[in-house]
Amino acid sequence: AQTVTQSQPEMSVQEAETVTLSCTYDTSESNYYLFWYKQPPSRQMILVIRQEAYKQQNATENRFSVNFQKAAKSFSLKISDSQLGDTAMYFCAFMKGYSGNTPLVFGKGTRLSVIA
Amino acid sequence: DSGVTQTPKHLITATGQRVTLRCSPRSGDLSVYWYQQSLDQGLQFLIQYYNGEERAKGNILERFSAQQFPDLHSELNLSSLELGDSALYFCASRASSIYNEQFFGPGTRLTVL
Repeated sequence: AQTVTQSQPEMSVQEAETVTLSCTYDTSESNYYLFWYKQPPSRQMILVIRQEAYKQQNATENRFSVNFQKAAKSFSLKISDSQLGDTAMYFCAFMKGYSGNTPLVFGKGTRLSVIA
Repeated sequence: DSGVTQTPKHLITATGQRVTLRCSPRSGDLSVYWYQQSLDQGLQFLIQYYNGEERAKGNILERFSAQQFPDLHSELNLSSLELGDSALYFCASRASSIYNEQFFGPGTRLTVL
């Protein structure tokens, strides 16, 4: 079974600074997707970024980027120029295979606070 | 707005009761997933449907059941409710794209008193 570990329960960052959230996963699969989801106080789950395991290039979405280290089974999220609206819980998630017909396995989450 | 709708937003009921949560996936999405988010267990997968058929089961209790109808909306039925069933229940629909992202609805917050 796959497991996802987020070792930082809480983090804080000053507005406009950069912060990196850690995620490691354990799997014997070679084909998979990795995702970061954001859950603001509204409780809505919002997809932030995705990464396909076969891609060596790290995914980037505006101020959000990942550092995907497949051999180390590490998938960290970097948020640049942090904004107050980035305050949220962030969940790392793993999806086995490329069919998309498998569920997400989530980490416990990291609570990020952006301080003005 | 993800395009996934869930009703009701909030539900308060008593132990032993039965409730039904409803989900409508994004237009064109055939696959629906149900997840439970509780303080002690985090986000856990319950069950998946694809075009009306059950595809995968996770940590779903026998007191819980689900189905997906021909119009692709899905219902999650929770019966003999216990205090520990209080949680946020999410429905997600999977995009029919190469990336297979799951888009989440706003969730139904269930409180069992």
